[in-house]
Amino acid sequence: NAGVTQTPKFQVLKTGQSMTLQCAQDMNHEYMSWYRQDPGMGLRLIHYSVGAGITDQGEVPNGYNVSRSTTEDFPLRLLSAAPSQTSVYFCASSQGTGPYSNQPQHFGDGTRLSIL
Amino acid sequence: DQQVKQNSPSLSVQEGRISILNCDYTNSMFDYFLWYKKYPAEGPTFLISISSIKDKNEDGRFTVFLNKSAKHLSLHIVPSQPGDSAVYFCAAVEYGNKLVFGAGTILRVKS
Repeated sequence: NAGVTQTPKFQVLKTGQSMTLQCAQDMNHEYMSWYRQDPGMGLRLIHYSVGAGITDQGEVPNGYNVSRSTTEDFPLRLLSAAPSQTSVYFCASSQGTGPYSNQPQHFGDGTRLSIL
Repeated sequence: DQQVKQNSPSLSVQEGRISILNCDYTNSMFDYFLWYKKYPAEGPTFLISISSIKDKNEDGRFTVFLNKSAKHLSLHIVPSQPGDSAVYFCAAVEYGNKLVFGAGTILRVKS
């Protein structure tokens, strides 16, 4: 069982470049989300999706774009990379979609992104 | 302002002893909490959770306690093992199944 798979594991970008971080899950989970982890700040929610075709913003959405065309995939796009987006990015999925489903989220191993 | 706080950046305990990790929250609307464990270069792994209708939840060596009036929860690991050395994150569930994380506590278990 692969669980949540993130690619690439590492990436270095120049300021202004764009790229897409890939996330795929094989557990048929409806709920998927993206977090970023910065030193001393824990993980912060960027965007989330409760199912195909439905996305919404989290705490820190600026500079990021998402779409959800299939249940399995939830890519995160950086439109014009900035040094402030240097971070470790985690994708997660869970069974529940209701506002209080409280199902534990399963995380991928992350993408470490550096913006020069 | 951080709604979930883990005020101890690190904790060091001897193998076999108890580890106690603490977490405070400010939003009284939070009613479900989770603990995640994270090893270097890996994603967080779900450890244990607790609903606000309970004050204790136990799973093997791991017990989480919730004090709603104090807006405080703690994770107890007994006995601690070297493999427990990791970063532990406390998280609260916000409306929409969104997680609000604390900054994490690094646990080192010495053998």
